Amino acid sequence: KNQVEQSPQSLIILEGKNCTLQCNYTVSPFSNLRWYKQDTGRGPVSLTIMTFSENTKSNGRYTATLDADTKQSSLHITASQLSDSASYICVAPSGYGGSQGNLIFGKGTKLSVKP
Amino acid sequence: EPEVTQTPSHQVTQMGQEVILRCVPISNHLYFYWYRQILGQKVEFLVSFYNNEISEKSEIFDDQFSVERPDGSNFTLKIRSTKLEDSAMYFCASSEGPGGMPYEQYFGPGTRLTVT
Repeated sequence: KNQVEQSPQSLIILEGKNCTLQCNYTVSPFSNLRWYKQDTGRGPVSLTIMTFSENTKSNGRYTATLDADTKQSSLHITASQLSDSASYICVAPSGYGGSQGNLIFGKGTKLSVKP
Repeated sequence: EPEVTQTPSHQVTQMGQEVILRCVPISNHLYFYWYRQILGQKVEFLVSFYNNEISEKSEIFDDQFSVERPDGSNFTLKIRSTKLEDSAMYFCASSEGPGGMPYEQYFGPGTRLTVT
């Protein structure tokens, strides 16, 4: 069964600190892996998309890694800001190539950044 | 920057009533999607739409649901006879290419549907 699992469920850090969020996926066939940020009551916003050939990708203070062999990904946030408080969701499409590939969402990690 | 828009932002309806949720995808996008998120749960795929027809749908998307692109800009989700369990946030999304390829899917702000 295609699944995306994330840990931890929630995380509290102090402003300015770094953190790393984890994702394990069992999606076949695998084509790409995405990280989204979702503020409460808002739509998800894409942070990164990585294909199986990419090991790491950065978007400002966000750096995602991908290990296609172990089917693991991580999202590292550097020098956290109060505005980083949100849910971070790991997402993988269920198909590839010509398939429309509906997105399979993890439950997300709820990050709270405190002053 | 182009964005996906959705109306209304909040819809309250009585059980058994029909509702239509509206979305305006980004203008040059070809693939359209509806997702839902029940409060406190993960986002779930409902349906994808391409070339004026449904290309994929989930088990959730039963005969009570339908989608339509009535003109060149709008994309709608209709729920024929709403149930209490249809209460959720409904997100529309659009992309230039299919999800199986690394194309961005842009999400709208959502419509919160409350069925009483």
